[in-house]
Amino acid sequence: GAVVSQHPSRVICKSGTSVKIECRSLDFQATTMFWYRQFPKQSLMLMATSNEGSKATYEQGVEKDKFLINHASLTLSTLTVTSAHPEDSSFYICSAGFWGQTIWAFFGQGTRLTVV
Amino acid sequence: ELKVEQNPLFLSMQEGKNYTIYCNYSTTSDRLYWYRQDPGKSLESLFVLLSNGAVKQEGRLMASLDTKARLSTLHITAAVHDLSATYFCAVDMDGLAGGTSYGKLTFGQGTILTVHP
Repeated sequence: GAVVSQHPSRVICKSGTSVKIECRSLDFQATTMFWYRQFPKQSLMLMATSNEGSKATYEQGVEKDKFLINHASLTLSTLTVTSAHPEDSSFYICSAGFWGQTIWAFFGQGTRLTVV
Repeated sequence: ELKVEQNPLFLSMQEGKNYTIYCNYSTTSDRLYWYRQDPGKSLESLFVLLSNGAVKQEGRLMASLDTKARLSTLHITAAVHDLSATYFCAVDMDGLAGGTSYGKLTFGQGTILTVHP
């Protein structure tokens, strides 16, 4: 089946530094990918829609200058958390929609970001 | 604004028992997903329901969708310990406008299921 791969799975960074997270669709092309954030013991919240070849669309309340999204190819979207602070510590998960025999929204393995 | 509400939020079951998790959503949509999440892990796809009256079954889990009532259910039959996890339903927001892109989801709060011996 279709697979979405996310890297790294865990990252610890110092406050003020930037971190890049990659999301790849391994066996299908994804013109649109999505980035979610999940705080401990909470549900997933959509942060932004990543569009191949164009600007990302951010949800209300998400700082576009802090969470930079680049979708340069049909199989890769990246999320860069700039000038990270401890409150950015969270579980970040990407997803991509797939339609073949049926429709699925597949999720990557997630990235646990800890800012110290 | 689309709202998705699950209940119960916490479910403690004995092995062998049956139970149902409910997922209500506020605006008409014909795309609904169920996912499982184990602690520290990402989401595992369980079911996608694409039309009114859709019913899908896999093992001890069965999901259904009633678009008129804006309700989906996840029924657990003869629970076993391995089913312990958090279960999320999610509604595809692009389904609201009949869009053709997929995967822009609004999630319910999640139901933490614990199955006891």
